[in-house]
Amino acid sequence: DTGVSQDPRHKITKRGQNVTFRCDPISEHNRLYWYRQTLGQGPEFLTYFQNEAQLEKSRLLSDRFSAERPKGSFSTLEIQRTEQGDSAMYLCASSFSRGDNPYEQYFGPGTRLTVT
Amino acid sequence: QQPVQSPQAVILREGEDAVINCSSSKALYSVHWYRQKHGEAPVFLMILLKGGEQKGHEKISASFNEKKQQSSLYLTASQLSYSGTYFCGTEGMEYGNKLVFGAGTILRVKS
Repeated sequence: DTGVSQDPRHKITKRGQNVTFRCDPISEHNRLYWYRQTLGQGPEFLTYFQNEAQLEKSRLLSDRFSAERPKGSFSTLEIQRTEQGDSAMYLCASSFSRGDNPYEQYFGPGTRLTVT
Repeated sequence: QQPVQSPQAVILREGEDAVINCSSSKALYSVHWYRQKHGEAPVFLMILLKGGEQKGHEKISASFNEKKQQSSLYLTASQLSYSGTYFCGTEGMEYGNKLVFGAGTILRVKS
């Protein structure tokens, strides 16, 4: 399977703990996106990378959230001092883009985070 | 900034047609359509670009009215497999290379 993969698929943590999620994009894709999705809503943009550079981060994103894509391949999303409001599905997507032309994004299965 | 989708939900019988609309208050560069089944990842259906270019599945059709910043997804001769939640994601002229998704339209096809 050469699709986008995410790990873990489910994470239950206690409030105040740190969590880290991993995303492996489709291998030839240069762009990688992180989204958050809550029940009954569409995916909400968090941040995106072009290769290893983080080009944009949502203004709504707390400083407790950080993402990296160190070698332009896989990416990690860390949430520090988790809060119950962080409970959501965290989706990763990747695309191959040239210049500013928009290309379709392929989503991974997501990591469901539950903060107790 | 979030696009508005309508209707919120629709129920069809197999073989019937449906139209899902997506409307933005911002000038758009592209509109993307995805379908998500319960517990699964969103799956790409169609992308419509300013200027008329389209990319997507052969069995899916959509339109993009650049003047009105509106897009419509046309589902014809619906099948049970069409059931799911349909999201439009808009890429605005102002907000660069990211998608802003609507709240979704729930489609249920009954036999």
